[in-house]
Amino acid sequence: NAGVTQTPKFQVLKTGQSMTLQCAQDMNHEYMSWYRQDPGMGLRLIHYSVGAGITDQGEVPNGYNVSRSTTEDFPLRLLSAAPSQTSVYFCASSYRGEAGANVLTFGAGSRLTVL
Amino acid sequence: LAKTTQPISMDSYEGQEVNITCSHNNIATNDYITWYQQFPSQGPRFIIQGYKTKVTNEVASLFIPADRKSSTLSLPRVSLSDTAVYYCLVGGKWTYKYIFGTGTRLKVLA
Repeated sequence: NAGVTQTPKFQVLKTGQSMTLQCAQDMNHEYMSWYRQDPGMGLRLIHYSVGAGITDQGEVPNGYNVSRSTTEDFPLRLLSAAPSQTSVYFCASSYRGEAGANVLTFGAGSRLTVL
Repeated sequence: LAKTTQPISMDSYEGQEVNITCSHNNIATNDYITWYQQFPSQGPRFIIQGYKTKVTNEVASLFIPADRKSSTLSLPRVSLSDTAVYYCLVGGKWTYKYIFGTGTRLKVLA
Protein backbone atom coordinates (compact mmCIF):
# COMPACT_ATOMS: atom_id res chain seq x y z
CA ASN A 1 0.00 0.00 0.00
CA ALA A 2 1.20 3.51 -0.82
CA GLY A 3 -0.74 4.92 2.14
CA VAL A 4 -1.89 8.55 1.88
CA THR A 5 -0.44 10.35 -1.14
CA GLN A 6 -0.51 14.13 -1.46
CA THR A 7 0.34 16.19 -4.51
CA PRO A 8 1.93 18.60 -5.10
CA LYS A 9 4.56 18.70 -2.35
CA PHE A 10 5.27 22.38 -2.97
CA GLN A 11 3.24 25.10 -4.65
CA VAL A 12 3.54 28.85 -4.99
CA LEU A 13 0.44 30.84 -5.90
CA LYS A 14 -0.37 34.47 -6.44
CA THR A 15 -3.20 36.09 -4.53
CA GLY A 16 -6.51 35.34 -6.22
CA GLN A 17 -5.38 32.22 -8.05
CA SER A 18 -7.16 28.94 -7.56
CA MET A 19 -5.74 25.48 -7.19
CA THR A 20 -6.50 21.98 -5.98
CA LEU A 21 -4.46 19.94 -3.54
CA GLN A 22 -4.83 16.27 -4.29
CA CYS A 23 -5.10 13.49 -1.71
CA ALA A 24 -5.45 9.80 -2.47
CA GLN A 25 -5.39 6.69 -0.29
CA ASP A 26 -5.32 3.06 -1.29
CA MET A 27 -6.34 1.54 2.05
CA ASN A 28 -10.10 1.64 1.47
CA HIS A 29 -10.54 3.99 4.43
CA GLU A 30 -13.96 5.60 4.65
CA TYR A 31 -12.80 8.60 6.66
CA MET A 32 -10.56 11.30 5.19
CA SER A 33 -9.71 14.79 6.35
CA TRP A 34 -7.66 17.89 5.62
CA TYR A 35 -5.62 19.85 8.17
CA ARG A 36 -3.49 22.94 7.89
CA GLN A 37 -0.48 23.66 10.05
CA ASP A 38 1.01 27.12 10.34
CA PRO A 39 4.62 27.55 11.49
CA GLY A 40 5.09 26.57 15.13
CA MET A 41 1.41 25.79 15.54
CA GLY A 42 -0.75 22.72 15.92
CA LEU A 43 -2.94 21.21 13.22
CA ARG A 44 -6.33 22.73 12.47
CA LEU A 45 -9.10 20.72 10.83
CA ILE A 46 -10.41 22.20 7.58
CA HIS A 47 -12.89 19.64 6.22
CA TYR A 48 -13.53 15.97 6.67
CA SER A 49 -15.48 13.18 4.99
CA VAL A 50 -16.93 9.97 6.40
CA GLY A 51 -17.50 8.39 3.00
CA ALA A 52 -18.11 9.03 -0.68
CA GLY A 53 -20.60 11.84 -1.13
CA ILE A 54 -20.44 12.96 2.51
CA THR A 55 -18.38 15.94 3.67
CA ASP A 56 -18.51 18.28 6.64
CA GLN A 57 -16.75 21.37 7.94
CA GLY A 58 -13.98 21.42 10.49
CA GLU A 59 -12.57 24.30 12.54
CA VAL A 60 -11.37 26.53 9.68
CA PRO A 61 -13.39 25.76 6.52
CA ASN A 62 -13.64 29.27 5.04
CA GLY A 63 -11.86 29.67 1.71
CA TYR A 64 -11.74 25.94 1.03
CA ASN A 65 -14.01 23.52 -0.80
CA VAL A 66 -13.98 19.74 -0.82
CA SER A 67 -15.86 16.93 -2.51
CA ARG A 68 -15.68 13.15 -2.19
CA SER A 69 -16.78 11.37 -5.33
CA THR A 70 -14.79 8.19 -4.61
CA THR A 71 -13.51 6.42 -1.50
CA GLU A 72 -9.92 6.89 -2.66
CA ASP A 73 -9.77 10.63 -3.40
CA PHE A 74 -10.43 13.75 -1.33
CA PRO A 75 -9.25 16.91 -3.12
CA LEU A 76 -9.04 20.30 -1.39
CA ARG A 77 -9.81 23.35 -3.52
CA LEU A 78 -8.72 26.90 -2.87
CA LEU A 79 -11.05 29.10 -4.90
CA SER A 80 -9.23 32.42 -4.52
CA ALA A 81 -5.95 32.07 -2.68
CA ALA A 82 -5.00 34.59 0.01
CA PRO A 83 -1.67 35.09 1.82
CA SER A 84 -3.37 33.89 5.03
CA GLN A 85 -3.66 30.46 3.40
CA THR A 86 0.11 30.07 3.30
CA SER A 87 0.60 26.91 5.30
CA VAL A 88 1.46 23.23 5.21
CA TYR A 89 -1.54 21.10 4.39
CA PHE A 90 -1.90 17.52 5.60
CA CYS A 91 -4.39 14.97 4.41
CA ALA A 92 -5.32 12.05 6.65
CA SER A 93 -7.40 8.91 6.49
CA SER A 94 -8.32 6.69 9.39
CA TYR A 95 -8.68 3.05 10.31
CA ARG A 96 -9.97 1.32 13.44
CA GLY A 97 -7.09 0.71 15.81
CA GLU A 98 -6.55 -2.39 17.94
CA ALA A 99 -7.87 -0.62 21.02
CA GLY A 100 -11.12 0.20 19.21
CA ALA A 101 -11.07 3.85 18.15
CA ASN A 102 -10.02 5.53 14.93
CA VAL A 103 -6.32 6.02 14.15
CA LEU A 104 -5.30 8.74 11.72
CA THR A 105 -2.75 8.08 8.98
CA PHE A 106 -1.24 11.22 7.49
CA GLY A 107 0.26 12.10 4.15
CA ALA A 108 3.64 13.80 3.78
CA GLY A 109 2.12 17.25 3.43
CA SER A 110 1.81 19.95 0.77
CA ARG A 111 3.60 23.24 1.41
CA LEU A 112 1.67 26.14 -0.07
CA THR A 113 2.92 29.72 -0.35
CA VAL A 114 0.58 32.49 -1.46
CA LEU A 115 2.27 35.70 -2.52
CA LEU B 1 -15.58 16.80 22.04
CA ALA B 2 -13.23 16.48 24.97
CA LYS B 3 -10.71 19.31 25.23
CA THR B 4 -7.15 18.30 26.01
CA THR B 5 -4.42 20.20 27.84
CA GLN B 6 -0.73 19.36 27.65
CA PRO B 7 2.48 21.10 28.73
CA ILE B 8 3.80 23.29 25.92
CA SER B 9 7.35 21.98 26.10
CA MET B 10 9.68 19.61 27.93
CA ASP B 11 13.42 18.98 27.91
CA SER B 12 15.08 15.69 28.70
CA TYR B 13 18.46 14.02 28.37
CA GLU B 14 19.30 10.96 26.36
CA GLY B 15 18.65 7.72 28.19
CA GLN B 16 16.05 9.15 30.55
CA GLU B 17 12.43 8.12 30.78
CA VAL B 18 10.04 10.87 29.71
CA ASN B 19 6.46 11.17 30.90
CA ILE B 20 4.08 13.54 29.13
CA THR B 21 0.73 14.08 30.76
CA CYS B 22 -2.48 15.08 29.02
CA SER B 23 -5.52 16.39 30.86
CA HIS B 24 -8.99 15.61 29.47
CA ASN B 25 -11.45 16.39 32.24
CA ASN B 26 -14.61 16.04 30.14
CA ILE B 27 -13.76 12.74 28.49
CA ALA B 28 -16.86 10.75 27.56
CA THR B 29 -17.54 7.14 28.52
CA ASN B 30 -17.00 5.94 24.96
CA ASP B 31 -13.85 7.99 24.29
CA TYR B 32 -10.40 6.55 23.74
CA ILE B 33 -7.07 8.33 24.14
CA THR B 34 -4.64 8.35 21.23
CA TRP B 35 -1.13 9.80 21.06
CA TYR B 36 0.70 10.98 17.97
CA GLN B 37 4.27 12.05 17.29
CA GLN B 38 5.23 14.68 14.74
CA PHE B 39 8.70 15.43 13.41
CA PRO B 40 9.42 18.71 11.60
CA SER B 41 8.09 18.83 8.05
CA GLN B 42 6.25 15.50 8.47
CA GLY B 43 2.70 14.50 9.21
CA PRO B 44 1.89 13.14 12.67
CA ARG B 45 2.22 9.41 13.15
CA PHE B 46 0.39 7.12 15.55
CA ILE B 47 2.17 6.04 18.72
CA ILE B 48 -0.33 4.38 21.01
CA GLN B 49 -4.02 4.18 21.89
CA GLY B 50 -5.86 3.08 24.99
CA TYR B 51 -9.12 3.15 26.91
CA LYS B 52 -8.16 2.42 30.50
CA THR B 53 -5.35 1.18 32.79
CA LYS B 54 -2.10 0.54 30.96
CA VAL B 55 -1.21 -0.13 27.35
CA THR B 56 2.30 -0.92 26.15
CA ASN B 57 3.79 -1.38 22.72
CA GLU B 58 7.30 -1.50 21.32
CA VAL B 59 7.86 2.25 21.55
CA ALA B 60 5.79 3.60 24.48
CA SER B 61 3.45 2.98 27.36
CA LEU B 62 0.18 4.72 28.06
CA PHE B 63 -1.11 5.03 31.62
CA ILE B 64 -4.75 5.91 32.21
CA PRO B 65 -6.04 6.26 35.80
CA ALA B 66 -9.41 4.93 36.84
CA ASP B 67 -11.19 8.29 36.48
CA ARG B 68 -9.73 8.66 32.94
CA LYS B 69 -9.50 12.44 33.33
CA SER B 70 -5.85 12.38 32.38
CA SER B 71 -3.36 10.12 30.67
CA THR B 72 0.41 9.82 30.62
CA LEU B 73 2.56 8.86 27.67
CA SER B 74 5.79 7.26 28.82
CA LEU B 75 8.81 7.04 26.53
CA PRO B 76 11.54 4.78 27.94
CA ARG B 77 15.20 5.77 27.51
CA VAL B 78 14.72 8.56 24.98
CA SER B 79 17.27 9.32 22.30
CA LEU B 80 17.93 12.45 20.23
CA SER B 81 15.64 11.06 17.55
CA ASP B 82 12.68 11.29 19.94
CA THR B 83 12.82 15.09 19.69
CA ALA B 84 9.39 15.90 18.30
CA VAL B 85 5.97 17.29 19.11
CA TYR B 86 3.59 14.91 20.87
CA TYR B 87 -0.18 15.27 20.66
CA CYS B 88 -2.91 13.53 22.63
CA LEU B 89 -6.37 13.24 21.12
CA VAL B 90 -9.59 12.03 22.68
CA GLY B 91 -12.43 10.49 20.71
CA GLY B 92 -14.71 7.49 20.37
CA LYS B 93 -15.37 4.89 17.71
CA TRP B 94 -17.66 7.29 15.89
CA THR B 95 -15.65 10.47 16.40
CA TYR B 96 -14.63 12.02 13.11
CA LYS B 97 -13.98 15.66 13.98
CA TYR B 98 -10.53 15.22 15.51
CA ILE B 99 -9.23 18.48 16.93
CA PHE B 100 -5.53 18.73 17.69
CA GLY B 101 -4.30 20.85 20.56
CA THR B 102 -0.96 22.61 20.66
CA GLY B 103 0.90 19.45 21.64
CA THR B 104 4.02 19.07 23.76
CA ARG B 105 7.35 19.94 22.18
CA LEU B 106 9.91 17.46 23.55
CA LYS B 107 13.57 18.28 23.15
CA VAL B 108 16.07 15.56 23.95
CA LEU B 109 19.53 16.81 24.83
CA ALA B 110 22.82 14.93 24.52
